[in-house]
Amino acid sequence: GAVVSQHPSRVICKSGTSVKIECRSLDFQATTMFWYRQFPKQSLMLMATSNEGSKATYEQGVEKDKFLINHASLTLSTLTVTSAHPEDSSFYICSAYRAVNTEAFFGQGTRLTVV
Amino acid sequence: GENVEQHPSTLSVQEGDSAVIKCTYSDSASNYFPWYKQELGKRPQLIIDIRSNVGEKKDQRIAVTLNKTAKHFSLHITETQPEDSAVYFCAASMSTGNQFYFGTGTSLTVIP
Repeated sequence: GAVVSQHPSRVICKSGTSVKIECRSLDFQATTMFWYRQFPKQSLMLMATSNEGSKATYEQGVEKDKFLINHASLTLSTLTVTSAHPEDSSFYICSAYRAVNTEAFFGQGTRLTVV
Repeated sequence: GENVEQHPSTLSVQEGDSAVIKCTYSDSASNYFPWYKQELGKRPQLIIDIRSNVGEKKDQRIAVTLNKTAKHFSLHITETQPEDSAVYFCAASMSTGNQFYFGTGTSLTVIP
């Protein structure tokens, strides 16, 4: 399968600071990337859909000013958690959509802990 | 938008038995249905998928069936092994790629 790299895999930050998470498709161009949040033992909750060169589409209940998404190129999307609070602590995971076969491949996820 | 429901949420089977996980979807325009396996702390991995032009697909011990009329699809794992224990997610998508929605997940435990 295709390779999607997400960085960092773990991050601990202080409350009030911002954290940027990168999602890269290494061997294919991804016009669409998805960002998910996952709580322990729960499903993947779609936060937003990111399309290259345009504004992200956020799911209902997701604060766009808090979770900034940028999809500046066909291989890179970033999620910035602004003014992080302990309740933002979670597992964030991206997936990149490969249009050729209509498949999505996941990054390895980022464990965010806000202290 | 699309709504994907998945059942059961937890499933325990004896090693060697079969496991079946079912999903339903709401949008008849969805035409791609992948299944992912997620082990604890790891990324979901695609294990099998099916497109709307076929009714069944098999890969060794894993098979997926699709009923477009009823808008449901199922994952079948035969001769289960302890290493099959994981959380399984179904998803529904359209070829445009603008939507990729997941079911709520099934935690499968295979008891040795």
